[in-house]
Amino acid sequence: GQQLNQSPQSMFIQEGEDVSMNCTSSSIFNTWLWYKQDPGEGPVLLIALYKAGELTSNGRLTAQFGITRKDSFLNISASIPSDVGIYFCAGPMRGSNYKLTFGKGTLLTVNP
Amino acid sequence: DGGITQSPKYLFRKEGQNVTLSCEQNLNHDAMYWYRQDPGQGLRLIYYSQIVNDFQKGDIAEGYSVSREKKESFPLTVTSAQKNPTAFYLCASSSRLASSGANVLTFGAGSRLTVL
Repeated sequence: GQQLNQSPQSMFIQEGEDVSMNCTSSSIFNTWLWYKQDPGEGPVLLIALYKAGELTSNGRLTAQFGITRKDSFLNISASIPSDVGIYFCAGPMRGSNYKLTFGKGTLLTVNP
Repeated sequence: DGGITQSPKYLFRKEGQNVTLSCEQNLNHDAMYWYRQDPGQGLRLIYYSQIVNDFQKGDIAEGYSVSREKKESFPLTVTSAQKNPTAFYLCASSSRLASSGANVLTFGAGSRLTVL
């Protein structure tokens, strides 16, 4: 099936540092979604990308839709303690706009 | 405020018991979903429903059942047939991105089920 491979699996950084994580697949995706999950809560949508090559920002977050449509990147600038959580990439499963497939997530820890 | 409400937040169950997790949304979304989350495994789809009175199995439906009698409600029953039910369960509903047609999921806060 379609798999999304996220890396790194976890990151430990100091407050103020920039963060970069990515998501790759052997399949082509028409949409990339990035979610953040705070501990003990449900994921919340951060950024949606729907055009190859697209670069979109949301505050300190920037995400890019890879030109090959097989990857996406999420960058966080000047990290703060509340950035802690799990970051998931997701995309629609082949043949279904209803079902999303999710990566296994990148766990981010920010040391104050 | 519009959103998705899951209850209970925490639930403990004895082995052999069925338990039902509630999910209610007031977003007027047609589609609803149940995901299971285990540490390090991401989100796995249990069941989804595109419309009232219709639902389909996801990747890990065995040991679970659902109903969709109302647009707003999509309860999940974890049956005694589910061999490893301890997990964090997430309900979601979706609306389409107008430009791409892809669905964007809105999640509830989750329910943590522990089997004693």
